[in-house]
Amino acid sequence: GDSVTQMEGPVTLSEEAFLTINCTYTATGYPSLFWYVQYPGEGLQLLLKATKADDKGSNKGFEATYRKETTSFHLEKGSVQVSDSAVYFCALSNDYKLSFGAGTTVTVRA
Amino acid sequence: ETGVTQSPTHLIKTRGQQVTLRCSSQSGHNTVSWYQQALGQGPQFIFQYYREEENGRGNFPPRFSGLQFPNYSSELNVNALELDDSALYLCASSLEGLDSYGYTFGSGTRLTVV
Repeated sequence: GDSVTQMEGPVTLSEEAFLTINCTYTATGYPSLFWYVQYPGEGLQLLLKATKADDKGSNKGFEATYRKETTSFHLEKGSVQVSDSAVYFCALSNDYKLSFGAGTTVTVRA
Repeated sequence: ETGVTQSPTHLIKTRGQQVTLRCSSQSGHNTVSWYQQALGQGPQFIFQYYREEENGRGNFPPRFSGLQFPNYSSELNVNALELDDSALYLCASSLEGLDSYGYTFGSGTRLTVV
């Protein structure tokens, strides 16, 4: 079945540091790929998405590129802020459901 | 444009009881999915409803059931609650169940079973 594996956390960074969270997937067919963010006590917010190979999703300074050859969708941000502290989930959509990774907790210190 | 709203936000139930969680979809969305997120884990797909019919189901027992109403709002019912049912339950709506349109999530209902 479909599965998503993402880098284990927690990740602690200083403000303005570079952030990378690795994500790889296993799926049949051609899934769409997503990054969701979850702030404490809240639900999930869509951060970015890519629907086909070589697509780059971007939002709020975050980027991720759909790499079919390596089945990856790594999340990057060049300069993080304290407000980026959250849990980040990589997910894929195949048919009618989303399959999520376990989440990576990111803490950014001033 | 309204988002997805869930009620209640928090709930405490006793093992063996039954619970109903509610979800109002984003305006214009006709598909609703439910997810269970245990503490420290990613959400797990429970089931999806499209135009009032169950459209797909994850690996959850039959005591997890749902309904979708003509206005596209939805309920998740769980019977014979177990301690392991303690989790954040998330509702997500979408248009035609297509991921290209994106899924909009509610803030969830935190269920505690004691």
